[in-house]
Amino acid sequence: QQQVRQSPQSLTVWEGETAILNCSYEDSTFDYFPWYWQFPRESPALLIAIRPVSNKKEDGRFTIFFNKREKKLSLHITDSQPGDSATYFCAAGYTGANTGKLTFGHGTILRVHP
Amino acid sequence: GALVYQYPRRTICKSGTSMRMECQAVGFQATSVAWYRQSPQKTFELIALSTVNSAIKYEQNFTQEKFPISHPNLSFSSMTVLNAYLEDRGLYLCGASYWGNYAEQFFGPGTRLTVL
Repeated sequence: QQQVRQSPQSLTVWEGETAILNCSYEDSTFDYFPWYWQFPRESPALLIAIRPVSNKKEDGRFTIFFNKREKKLSLHITDSQPGDSATYFCAAGYTGANTGKLTFGHGTILRVHP
Repeated sequence: GALVYQYPRRTICKSGTSMRMECQAVGFQATSVAWYRQSPQKTFELIALSTVNSAIKYEQNFTQEKFPISHPNLSFSSMTVLNAYLEDRGLYLCGASYWGNYAEQFFGPGTRLTVL
């Protein structure tokens, strides 16, 4: 059973639009949710992260909305730029004894057209 | 700042041979090191998690006999892919983190393994 699911698999938006990437998880004991982005031929880089004590985390044009009851979260990218085109991975992890163990979704490929 | 280096960046090995890859944390103490594999067209699979003062925990489908890991200090870890075959090809990532920073994981650039 896949622990972390992402949708859509791919998403295309025009420059300036808001892109919405979705993520859901199974294990209610996850307590750390980072989003990574990965550009072609590069390793993933941390974009933004949230813990369940909050239902929203904002960093510039990137915002995570978190719904603990439904075990869902989403990443909103406002005023999308062509440079935002990348694969976005939602991950889930722990802050206790299993710190450092992340479970990744399969990613959403985002394309922003100028 | 926190940086993670991996070596080599790319490697090619013949089927049935083994290769070792290294991971070094700079600027912080890596109390946990996780090794992942990203196979072509796939997401990141956790191979094992190594935490200081604890036994290395391997995920299902990965074993110590196939992917032995060493984590001798708070700045270095290595993993060997023994008896590599085609299905072992992919990008191997080292993710290092430390206590007290909410599990934020810093990834190295990866070692891309090609098996001929």
